[in-house]
Amino acid sequence: GQSLEQPSEVTAVEGAIVQINCTYQTSGFYGLSWYQQHDGGAPTFLSYNALDGLEETGRFSSFLSRSDSYGYLLLQELQMKDSASYFCAVFSGGYQKVTFGTGTKLQVIP
Amino acid sequence: GAVVSQHPSRVICKSGTSVKIECRSLDFQATTMFWYRQFPKKSLMLMATSNEGSKATYEQGVEKDKFLINHASLTLSTLTVTSAHPEDSSFYICSARWLASSYNEQFFGPGTRLTVL
Repeated sequence: GQSLEQPSEVTAVEGAIVQINCTYQTSGFYGLSWYQQHDGGAPTFLSYNALDGLEETGRFSSFLSRSDSYGYLLLQELQMKDSASYFCAVFSGGYQKVTFGTGTKLQVIP
Repeated sequence: GAVVSQHPSRVICKSGTSVKIECRSLDFQATTMFWYRQFPKKSLMLMATSNEGSKATYEQGVEKDKFLINHASLTLSTLTVTSAHPEDSSFYICSARWLASSYNEQFFGPGTRLTVL
């Protein structure tokens, strides 16, 4: 089966950098995505990694190591509005199978 | 960006009734739509994957006779919760995968909060 693990909670200071890790076990791995979800809202897409390495999109970067079954989301220059839950998700089976991680609740403090 | 809508956003119903939730991709064609449910402070649990014109693929443990999915066109998928019970109360979210996307991006609807009394 598929399983993903993330830290449940992370607290960081405004302006700082925070890294949210995701380890996964899956068969037929295609790629790893990250999503942000504010309380009461729908998830929004942040990034997608299919190959090893770092993908940068503005203040957010995502990293993947397929050999280690590991990825992370890096958030720089944290802002209060970044307080939300962050989910990693694994795509497998030709993108037909999506499994979400347990989610990490990020709290940004002044 | 691509927009996915869901209707209704909130629904309260009596136990034993059926509820239909619509998921529409507004400005793109979605070959695949996904249906999730999410309990408070929990992760999204994939219920089923729906491809246009074919039967939905349900995840293990999801009753296909209870959660009826119809993907009639490239822009519309519906989830019907039949004979709803209080334990079906949850946040139901759909997402759509863009036909032309090479980036494997899913666009999520705003979700439907179902409360069964």
